[in-house]
Amino acid sequence: AQSVTQLDSQVPVFEEAPVELRCNYSSSVSVYLFWYVQYPNQGLQLLLKYLSGSTLVKGINGFEAEFNKSQTSFHLRKPSVHISDTAEYFCAVRSIQGAQKLVFGQGTRLTINP
Amino acid sequence: ETGVTQSPTHLIKTRGQQVTLRCSSQSGHNTVSWYQQALGQGPQFIFQYYREEENGRGNFPPRFSGLQFPNYSSELNVNALELDDSALYLCASSKRDFNTDTQYFGPGTRLTVL
Repeated sequence: AQSVTQLDSQVPVFEEAPVELRCNYSSSVSVYLFWYVQYPNQGLQLLLKYLSGSTLVKGINGFEAEFNKSQTSFHLRKPSVHISDTAEYFCAVRSIQGAQKLVFGQGTRLTINP
Repeated sequence: ETGVTQSPTHLIKTRGQQVTLRCSSQSGHNTVSWYQQALGQGPQFIFQYYREEENGRGNFPPRFSGLQFPNYSSELNVNALELDDSALYLCASSKRDFNTDTQYFGPGTRLTVL
C-alpha cells in the first residue's frame, strides 16, 4: 500500500517569490509520482510526472520537481510565482504494477499575494 | 483531441435515493477510473474499469458500482445515498496498454445529498 503526506496544508507567498510545496510518500513497492493542480471548481490538471530517469522533472507553467528516493520525497518548486498560480496542488503516487490506482495527498493550497 | 467530459455538472439528491454519473473518455483511451473528493480532501480511488471489467477497487461499499461501455465511456452508480456521499466525483481516463501513461481528469460532478 502507498501513502502520501503533503507537509503544508496552506502556503502563502508574494507574487514573483519562489515557492516549494513539499511531498513525502511511503510505499513498499516502486512507484510513479505525479503533481496535479486544481483550480477552483475545476477538475485536476497534470503538472508533471516522474516515471524514471533524471530525478529533476520539468512540467508546465514553469514548475519542476525533484525525486529523492532516499528521502522518499517529491517536492514541487517554482522560482517565481504569479497570481494565476493560486490553486490547490496535489501530490500523488501509484504502483508501477497493477491497476493504475492513484493515491493522493491531502493537498496544499497555494495563495499568491500581490 | 477531445478531453474527458462528465455529466451532469451538479446534482442534488436526498438520502436513500440512487444516482448515476456519466463519463466520456478522452479519445484513444481504454481505461476509466473514478475518484471521490470530499470537501477539503484529496481524491480517493473508488474503482477502475478496463475493457468493460472492473480492474481494481478502493475502500468503498458495494452500493458504489460502475459500468464501462464498448466505446469506453463509463457510469458510476451509487445506491442508498448517504449524507457523507456529498462530494466531487472525478473521472479519469488513460491507456491501460501503456502502463506508464497518465490519467487525465474530467471537470467532475458535484453531488449534494440532503
